[in-house]
Amino acid sequence: DAKTTQPNSMESNEEEPVHLPCNHSTISGTDYIHWYRQLPSQGPEYVIHGLTSNVNNRMASLAIAEDRKSSTLILHRATLRDAAVYYCILASGSARQLTFGSGTQLTVLP
Amino acid sequence: DAGITQSPRHKVTETGTPVTLRCHQTENHRYMYWYRQDPGHGLRLIHYSYGVKDTDKGEVSDGYSVSRSKTEDFLLTLESATSSQTSVYFCAINEGRGSQETQYFGPGTRLLVL
Repeated sequence: DAKTTQPNSMESNEEEPVHLPCNHSTISGTDYIHWYRQLPSQGPEYVIHGLTSNVNNRMASLAIAEDRKSSTLILHRATLRDAAVYYCILASGSARQLTFGSGTQLTVLP
Repeated sequence: DAGITQSPRHKVTETGTPVTLRCHQTENHRYMYWYRQDPGHGLRLIHYSYGVKDTDKGEVSDGYSVSRSKTEDFLLTLESATSSQTSVYFCAINEGRGSQETQYFGPGTRLLVL
């Protein structure tokens, strides 16, 4: 599986937007970019995924670079409940056998 | 939560004893997975199943076996538990179809091997 690179940690202030970056320079044409997050003491939960176009859902937006070598997860208005580890994962076609890296620990400051 | 439960949620056992963890789903999903997560790390795939009696190894399968005799249950067995298998174990299923598939995870089982 192609690898992703994320910062180990980021901080944000409550009610401000957060941009979580992910680099995936070896992405293949069939790889989808998935984001999951893991709240403390819970299993990971799906956030969003996309292939080429930017995507929006009720949780977040995903901005994908034109060359697809990087992407950004955008939380439009961070809340304290968004404090979690965010994982950027590449999955070819179907989301099977996901490979988790270390992710980005997001701290939200009140 | 895609109807996934894990049991037990917590277990303490001794080195050398067999341990079985259960993942149960209620929505007839074909794919099921077992992952482990160690402190400060992401999840690593142990085994997965793509149907009844159809299973395959993941990245860290040594010391683990699995069984799936019915769609709703996926069992993970540590044949002879070791301290290195102290971890949090997560079960997951695939939901959706094709490119819209995503994984949903259970609440986890914390296993301590003394």
